[in-house]
Amino acid sequence: DGGITQSPKYLFRKEGQNVTLSCEQNLNHDAMYWYRQDPGQGLRLIYYSQIVNDFQKGDIAEGYSVSREKKESFPLTVTSAQKNPTAFYLCASSIFSGNTIYFGEGSWLTVV
Amino acid sequence: EDKVVQSPLSLVVHEGDTVTLNCSYEVTNFRSLLWYKQEKKAPTFLFMLTSSGIEKKSGRLSSILDKKELFSILNITATQTGDSAVYLCAVPNFGNEKLTFGTGTRLTIIP
Repeated sequence: DGGITQSPKYLFRKEGQNVTLSCEQNLNHDAMYWYRQDPGQGLRLIYYSQIVNDFQKGDIAEGYSVSREKKESFPLTVTSAQKNPTAFYLCASSIFSGNTIYFGEGSWLTVV
Repeated sequence: EDKVVQSPLSLVVHEGDTVTLNCSYEVTNFRSLLWYKQEKKAPTFLFMLTSSGIEKKSGRLSSILDKKELFSILNITATQTGDSAVYLCAVPNFGNEKLTFGTGTRLTIIP
Protein backbone atom coordinates (compact mmCIF):
# COMPACT_ATOMS: atom_id res chain seq x y z
CA ASP A 1 0.00 0.00 0.00
CA GLY A 2 1.23 3.49 -0.80
CA GLY A 3 1.47 5.99 1.96
CA ILE A 4 3.42 7.89 4.53
CA THR A 5 4.66 6.03 7.58
CA GLN A 6 5.69 7.78 10.73
CA SER A 7 7.31 6.10 13.69
CA PRO A 8 7.11 5.84 16.54
CA LYS A 9 3.47 6.80 17.12
CA TYR A 10 4.10 7.57 20.77
CA LEU A 11 7.42 8.54 22.32
CA PHE A 12 8.42 9.59 25.81
CA ARG A 13 11.79 11.20 26.48
CA LYS A 14 13.53 12.91 29.34
CA GLU A 15 14.32 16.57 29.09
CA GLY A 16 17.72 17.21 27.54
CA GLN A 17 17.71 14.17 25.26
CA ASN A 18 17.64 14.38 21.50
CA VAL A 19 15.01 12.30 19.76
CA THR A 20 14.54 11.39 16.10
CA LEU A 21 11.16 10.89 14.47
CA SER A 22 11.07 8.77 11.34
CA CYS A 23 9.08 9.54 8.20
CA GLU A 24 9.06 7.29 5.15
CA GLN A 25 6.95 7.60 2.01
CA ASN A 26 6.57 5.25 -0.95
CA LEU A 27 4.50 7.63 -3.05
CA ASN A 28 7.47 8.80 -5.11
CA HIS A 29 6.80 12.34 -3.94
CA ASP A 30 9.52 14.95 -4.36
CA ALA A 31 8.48 17.27 -1.54
CA MET A 32 8.29 16.39 2.14
CA TYR A 33 7.36 18.44 5.19
CA TRP A 34 7.33 18.39 8.96
CA TYR A 35 4.59 20.16 10.90
CA ARG A 36 4.02 20.55 14.58
CA GLN A 37 0.53 20.79 16.04
CA ASP A 38 -0.28 22.23 19.45
CA PRO A 39 -3.81 22.62 20.81
CA GLY A 40 -5.52 25.70 19.41
CA GLN A 41 -2.60 26.64 17.17
CA GLY A 42 -3.22 24.70 14.00
CA LEU A 43 -0.25 23.30 12.08
CA ARG A 44 3.06 25.10 12.03
CA LEU A 45 5.79 24.27 9.54
CA ILE A 46 9.13 23.16 10.97
CA TYR A 47 11.16 22.16 7.90
CA TYR A 48 10.45 21.26 4.32
CA SER A 49 12.36 19.65 1.49
CA GLN A 50 11.60 20.07 -2.19
CA ILE A 51 14.17 17.61 -3.42
CA VAL A 52 16.73 15.11 -2.19
CA ASN A 53 19.76 16.60 -0.41
CA ASP A 54 18.03 19.94 0.01
CA PHE A 55 15.81 21.34 2.76
CA GLN A 56 14.71 24.71 4.11
CA LYS A 57 13.63 26.05 7.46
CA GLY A 58 9.96 26.60 8.03
CA ASP A 59 8.38 28.98 10.52
CA ILE A 60 9.55 27.28 13.73
CA ALA A 61 12.82 25.52 12.88
CA GLU A 62 14.75 26.45 16.03
CA GLY A 63 15.68 23.38 18.05
CA TYR A 64 15.02 20.97 15.19
CA SER A 65 17.15 19.40 12.46
CA VAL A 66 16.39 17.28 9.41
CA SER A 67 18.12 15.40 6.63
CA ARG A 68 17.01 14.28 3.19
CA GLU A 69 19.54 11.75 1.98
CA LYS A 70 16.92 9.65 0.20
CA LYS A 71 13.77 10.64 -1.62
CA GLU A 72 11.68 8.34 0.55
CA SER A 73 12.94 9.47 3.92
CA PHE A 74 12.82 12.74 5.87
CA PRO A 75 13.69 12.18 9.54
CA LEU A 76 13.24 14.95 12.10
CA THR A 77 15.49 15.32 15.14
CA VAL A 78 14.12 17.21 18.10
CA THR A 79 17.16 18.50 19.94
CA SER A 80 17.58 19.53 23.54
CA ALA A 81 17.60 23.13 22.30
CA GLN A 82 13.88 22.95 21.56
CA LYS A 83 12.28 24.69 24.53
CA ASN A 84 8.87 23.07 24.42
CA PRO A 85 9.10 19.84 22.43
CA THR A 86 5.97 18.09 23.71
CA ALA A 87 3.57 18.13 20.76
CA PHE A 88 1.99 16.16 17.95
CA TYR A 89 4.31 15.96 14.93
CA LEU A 90 3.00 15.41 11.43
CA CYS A 91 5.04 14.46 8.40
CA ALA A 92 3.62 15.11 4.96
CA SER A 93 4.54 14.84 1.32
CA SER A 94 3.39 16.10 -2.07
CA ILE A 95 4.19 15.22 -5.66
CA PHE A 96 5.90 18.58 -5.94
CA SER A 97 5.95 21.75 -3.89
CA GLY A 98 2.66 23.56 -3.60
CA ASN A 99 0.59 20.61 -4.69
CA THR A 100 -1.88 18.92 -2.36
CA ILE A 101 -0.02 17.45 0.58
CA TYR A 102 -0.84 14.17 2.25
CA PHE A 103 -0.11 13.42 5.86
CA GLY A 104 1.27 10.55 7.86
CA GLU A 105 -0.51 9.35 10.98
CA GLY A 106 1.57 11.54 13.26
CA SER A 107 3.87 11.02 16.22
CA TRP A 108 3.05 12.09 19.75
CA LEU A 109 6.17 13.24 21.59
CA THR A 110 6.06 13.79 25.31
CA VAL A 111 9.10 15.14 27.11
CA VAL A 112 9.11 14.77 30.87
CA GLU B 1 3.58 37.24 5.79
CA ASP B 2 0.83 34.92 4.57
CA LYS B 3 -2.15 34.66 6.86
CA VAL B 4 -5.09 32.27 7.11
CA VAL B 5 -7.93 32.90 9.56
CA GLN B 6 -10.72 30.44 10.23
CA SER B 7 -13.98 31.01 12.00
CA PRO B 8 -15.62 30.04 14.16
CA LEU B 9 -12.93 28.39 16.28
CA SER B 10 -15.43 25.85 17.48
CA LEU B 11 -19.00 24.94 16.69
CA VAL B 12 -21.46 22.55 18.34
CA VAL B 13 -24.61 21.57 16.46
CA HIS B 14 -27.19 18.79 16.47
CA GLU B 15 -27.17 15.95 14.02
CA GLY B 16 -29.04 16.90 10.87
CA ASP B 17 -28.14 20.58 11.04
CA THR B 18 -26.31 22.38 8.25
CA VAL B 19 -23.06 24.17 9.07
CA THR B 20 -20.89 26.71 7.29
CA LEU B 21 -17.21 27.05 8.12
CA ASN B 22 -15.27 30.12 7.05
CA CYS B 23 -11.71 30.68 5.91
CA SER B 24 -10.25 34.06 4.99
CA TYR B 25 -6.73 34.54 3.69
CA GLU B 26 -4.08 37.08 2.85
CA VAL B 27 -1.41 35.67 0.58
CA THR B 28 0.87 37.06 -2.08
CA ASN B 29 0.20 35.64 -5.51
CA PHE B 30 -2.70 33.38 -4.62
CA ARG B 31 -2.70 30.00 -6.35
CA SER B 32 -5.09 27.74 -4.48
CA LEU B 33 -6.82 27.02 -1.21
CA LEU B 34 -7.12 23.61 0.39
CA TRP B 35 -9.51 22.14 2.96
CA TYR B 36 -8.61 19.24 5.23
CA LYS B 37 -10.53 17.23 7.82
CA GLN B 38 -8.67 16.10 10.92
CA GLU B 39 -10.21 13.56 13.24
CA LYS B 40 -7.98 11.88 15.76
CA LYS B 41 -4.73 11.89 13.85
CA ALA B 42 -3.64 12.89 10.37
CA PRO B 43 -5.56 15.49 8.35
CA THR B 44 -7.21 14.07 5.26
CA PHE B 45 -7.61 16.07 2.10
CA LEU B 46 -11.09 17.32 1.17
CA PHE B 47 -10.90 19.96 -1.56
CA MET B 48 -8.53 22.11 -3.56
CA LEU B 49 -10.03 25.34 -4.89
CA THR B 50 -8.42 27.46 -7.55
CA SER B 51 -11.24 29.25 -9.35
CA SER B 52 -13.67 31.75 -7.92
CA GLY B 53 -17.35 30.89 -7.84
CA ILE B 54 -17.04 27.25 -8.84
CA GLU B 55 -18.44 24.92 -6.20
CA LYS B 56 -16.64 21.71 -5.40
CA LYS B 57 -18.87 18.97 -4.01
CA SER B 58 -18.35 15.63 -2.37
CA GLY B 59 -21.45 14.04 -0.90
CA ARG B 60 -22.80 16.31 1.83
CA LEU B 61 -19.72 18.53 1.75
CA SER B 62 -19.26 21.42 -0.60
CA SER B 63 -16.88 24.35 -0.83
CA ILE B 64 -16.58 27.53 -2.79
CA LEU B 65 -13.96 30.23 -3.20
CA ASP B 66 -14.32 34.00 -3.55
CA LYS B 67 -11.03 35.42 -4.80
CA LYS B 68 -12.33 38.98 -4.79
CA GLU B 69 -13.27 38.92 -1.12
CA LEU B 70 -10.41 36.52 -0.23
CA PHE B 71 -12.38 33.82 1.50
CA SER B 72 -13.74 30.33 1.17
CA ILE B 73 -16.58 28.50 2.87
CA LEU B 74 -17.05 24.83 3.59
CA ASN B 75 -20.64 23.67 3.89
CA ILE B 76 -21.80 20.44 5.44
CA THR B 77 -25.48 19.55 5.10
CA ALA B 78 -27.44 17.00 7.12
CA THR B 79 -24.55 16.64 9.54
CA GLN B 80 -23.74 13.28 11.13
CA THR B 81 -21.72 12.40 14.21
CA GLY B 82 -18.94 11.22 11.90
CA ASP B 83 -18.51 14.80 10.72
CA SER B 84 -17.14 15.73 14.14
CA ALA B 85 -13.57 16.81 13.50
CA VAL B 86 -11.26 19.78 13.15
CA TYR B 87 -11.51 21.33 9.70
CA LEU B 88 -8.35 23.01 8.46
CA CYS B 89 -7.92 25.51 5.69
CA ALA B 90 -4.52 26.11 4.03
CA VAL B 91 -2.93 28.16 1.25
CA PRO B 92 0.42 27.71 -0.52
CA ASN B 93 2.88 30.56 -0.17
CA PHE B 94 4.16 32.80 -2.98
CA GLY B 95 6.89 30.41 -4.06
CA ASN B 96 4.47 27.50 -3.92
CA GLU B 97 6.85 25.73 -1.57
CA LYS B 98 4.81 25.30 1.59
CA LEU B 99 1.34 25.56 3.05
CA THR B 100 0.18 28.04 5.67
CA PHE B 101 -2.62 26.61 7.80
CA GLY B 102 -5.34 28.30 9.77
CA THR B 103 -5.94 27.28 13.37
CA GLY B 104 -8.90 25.17 12.33
CA THR B 105 -12.57 24.97 13.30
CA ARG B 106 -13.47 22.26 15.77
CA LEU B 107 -16.90 20.91 14.79
CA THR B 108 -18.84 18.76 17.24
CA ILE B 109 -22.06 17.05 16.19
CA ILE B 110 -24.40 16.06 19.00
CA PRO B 111 -26.60 13.02 18.32
